[in-house]
Amino acid sequence: GENVEQHPSTLSVQEGDSAVIKCTYSDSASNYFPWYKQELGKRPQLIIDIRSNVGEKKDQRIAVTLNKTAKHFSLHITETQPEDSAVYFCAASRDNFNKFYFGSGTKLNVKP
Amino acid sequence: DGGITQSPKYLFRKEGQNVTLSCEQNLNHDAMYWYRQDPGQGLRLIYYSQIVNDFQKGDIAEGYSVSREKKESFPLTVTSAQKNPTAFYLCASTPDAAVTDTQYFGPGTRLTVL
Repeated sequence: GENVEQHPSTLSVQEGDSAVIKCTYSDSASNYFPWYKQELGKRPQLIIDIRSNVGEKKDQRIAVTLNKTAKHFSLHITETQPEDSAVYFCAASRDNFNKFYFGSGTKLNVKP
Repeated sequence: DGGITQSPKYLFRKEGQNVTLSCEQNLNHDAMYWYRQDPGQGLRLIYYSQIVNDFQKGDIAEGYSVSREKKESFPLTVTSAQKNPTAFYLCASTPDAAVTDTQYFGPGTRLTVL
């Protein structure tokens, strides 16, 4: 089955700096890669996703890159703000299977 | 994600009791899921269902049971066979069982065993 690994487990940055979180996956058939943000005690919320037919996607300060050959994808947050502090999860899935495999999460702390 | 509701928000159980967690969605989504989240950890899949009257075990199904009698409802029962049930439980749904797409999560139920 699919195995998703996520690094680092914790990340501390200064406000205004960039943050990068990386995930690798094992199943070359995976074709959908969402990223979720979870604040303490709350539900995970989708912040950006990418499908295997594109290599990069941006939404304001957030971007995701995908390298299908190397089977890894990354979340990039620029100009970080204190409200970006949360736990971020990556995931992988594929069509006609609809089972999601989650990374172990990255706790991001943005220091004012 | 406002179309998925879970109840109760907090639940306390005595050892040896079965408890049922509710999950309802009004999004007309085909697939529904139950995850367990322990402090500082990721999401582990308990059960999932792609259509009514059908469901599959996830990675940690032991001690849990589910039903999918209606498209909008996917209740999870935590049985007394689950030895360490204290956790945060999240229900989720996706629109189409065939095409992988965004998962929408409910607000969660925090279960504590007394």
